Amino acid sequence: AQSVSQHNHHVILSEAASLELGCNYSYGGTVNLFWYVQYPGQHLQLLLKYFSGDPLVKGIKGFEAEFIKSKFSFNLRKPSVQWSDTAEYFCAVNVNRDDKIIFGKGTRLHILP
Amino acid sequence: DGGITQSPKYLFRKEGQNVTLSCEQNLNHDAMYWYRQDPGQGLRLIYYSQIVNDFQKGDIAEGYSVSREKKESFPLTVTSAQKNPTAFYLCASSNIRDEQFFGPGTRLTVL
Repeated sequence: AQSVSQHNHHVILSEAASLELGCNYSYGGTVNLFWYVQYPGQHLQLLLKYFSGDPLVKGIKGFEAEFIKSKFSFNLRKPSVQWSDTAEYFCAVNVNRDDKIIFGKGTRLHILP
Repeated sequence: DGGITQSPKYLFRKEGQNVTLSCEQNLNHDAMYWYRQDPGQGLRLIYYSQIVNDFQKGDIAEGYSVSREKKESFPLTVTSAQKNPTAFYLCASSNIRDEQFFGPGTRLTVL
């Protein structure tokens, strides 16, 4: 069965630090990849997505992610975090044979002002 | 204003009662989904539907039921057979295999 692993369950950083959140998936075929964010008290919303093309994807609020097919990874990065980035982040994968999206367990990010 | 609405925001239920959570979308999406979110568990898929009058079980369908009589609506019933129903329930919709748009959620508490 397909699975998505997010290795960091809880990350604490100071403002202006660089961020990288890991995401690995288990399926070897064609995938669509997503990062979602859930700010405190708000809806889950899309940060960025990868379907094909340039493996370096840019999203909202200065986030980017790189798809590395050989490593089955889709890590999320931001060069300088802000206090407002405090949220829970979810990696998700859709396998093209299927209509489901599988979510990782999430990473809680806490930014210290 | 396009989006997904879920009601109610908070719901309390006594043990042994069935309860129905509402989800409506006006995004003209074909697919709709129900997830359960528990702390540290991420989002777990309960049921999904790709087309009216058709739906499939997700990973944790036991104790839940759904219907899809209209494209816009995908209500979820939490039955008394669900052993641990207290949770945050999220509804989503999408075009097939594309990004999902989420509602604000319903927090269900069983007393």
